[in-house]
Amino acid sequence: QVELQESGPGLVKPSETLSLTCIVSGDSIKNQYWAWIRQPAGKRLEWIGRIYTSGDTFYNPTLASRVTMSADTSTNEISLKMTSVTAADTAIYFCARTTYRRFDKWGLGKLVTVSS
Amino acid sequence: QSFLTQPPSVSGAPGQRVTISCSGSSSNIGAGYDVHWYQHLPGRAPKLLIYANMNRPSGVPDRFSASKSGTSASLAITGLQPEDEGHYYCQSFDHSLTFVIFGGGTKLTVL
Repeated sequence: QVELQESGPGLVKPSETLSLTCIVSGDSIKNQYWAWIRQPAGKRLEWIGRIYTSGDTFYNPTLASRVTMSADTSTNEISLKMTSVTAADTAIYFCARTTYRRFDKWGLGKLVTVSS
Repeated sequence: QSFLTQPPSVSGAPGQRVTISCSGSSSNIGAGYDVHWYQHLPGRAPKLLIYANMNRPSGVPDRFSASKSGTSASLAITGLQPEDEGHYYCQSFDHSLTFVIFGGGTKLTVL
């Protein structure tokens, strides 16, 4: 039974970098696609991007200039970094396993607040 | 429109049937891209409820069903149970945006 758990700071200052990790248990991350999705309060889910464990990435064009995803097969973790954050980046951030443009396993989500 | 529209809320009594619509456009649902549905219950991780328009993953009760026609899709829940209360989201792919998109979500209340 694969489980995903997002971890990282819950508070980030404006202009700084948001860093989150998705710890995957119950399955190897190898040879699979993984995604990050976020949801600001009261707004719809927004796809941030996805990574294949070979390192191949594809980001939401509206966020691509600020986003980097990575995968560490030795620790079975997926990471997200988002630079130059503003209050508009305050959201619940989810990691998910993705296949055929759908998301078949999600984490609980991590609330990240951008505030000084 | 490169987004999916859902009603903000629906409600029903236990045992009743409710439907949740998901309206898209020719750049997403109408272009033939699959629609997937997710259930997000309070305090739980979102869960894939229906994939590829009408298919239930293993373990999802047959009380949940979905269909797609033209530029829209619909999720039906029969035999409503209190534990069904939560948010439901549709999702598809938009070829104008070149990435997946979600509906705004529908809050289901079981009266």
